[in-house]
Amino acid sequence: QQQVKQSPQSLIVQKGGISIINCAYENTAFDYFPWYQQFPGKGPALLIAIRPDVSEKKEGRFTISFNKSAKQFSLHIMDSQPGDSATYFCAGRMDSSYKLIFGSGTRLLVRP
Amino acid sequence: EAGVAQSPRYKIIEKRQSVAFWCNPISGHATLYWYQQILGQGPKLLIQFQNNGVVDDSQLPKDRFSAERLKGVDSTLKIQPAKLEDSAVYLCASSSGTSGRRSYNEQFFGPGTRLTVL
Repeated sequence: QQQVKQSPQSLIVQKGGISIINCAYENTAFDYFPWYQQFPGKGPALLIAIRPDVSEKKEGRFTISFNKSAKQFSLHIMDSQPGDSATYFCAGRMDSSYKLIFGSGTRLLVRP
Repeated sequence: EAGVAQSPRYKIIEKRQSVAFWCNPISGHATLYWYQQILGQGPKLLIQFQNNGVVDDSQLPKDRFSAERLKGVDSTLKIQPAKLEDSAVYLCASSSGTSGRRSYNEQFFGPGTRLTVL
């Protein structure tokens, strides 16, 4: 019940295109849904996050869409750039302990 | 501000040997986390400290893994004896331990220690 399912496992997009990564969860005790970006040899870094009382959040080229009734949320990267090539993780955070449950990750490659 | 520091960055050991990892969190951060990230998977929480105390260690294999956070600052994670399946990146993260409108108690990750068990 704690699991967060993420898809696709890998994604190749042309420069300027839209990258879309999807996640689904079951645990209703999650109170916060962050997306992390991880480059090789580095730790994950917070990219953008959303609370379940909001349906969409946009920061620059990055947008989270959140569907509470379907228990799904997605990351959209507009005008994808080669520098966006990284692994992206969605997560759900437990409201009681701040524990993060991560998805399995999506490796994004943006071709020039 | 300085980030989360971890050492060593890489470690190669034989199975059944022991190994220790060190983490220095961001100054003032009350909460410290150790995660295990197996290749191709998302990080999995091993243990969470709030100051000196353990908040969650439900996924820590306690027969071989141990962790401590003396004085509520630095932390060490030990594996003894190591198994082949322990090969992974061990990530340390810290957070302030409080929620505010801005930070929502964001977790900041260190670069990790890549462990290879042969």
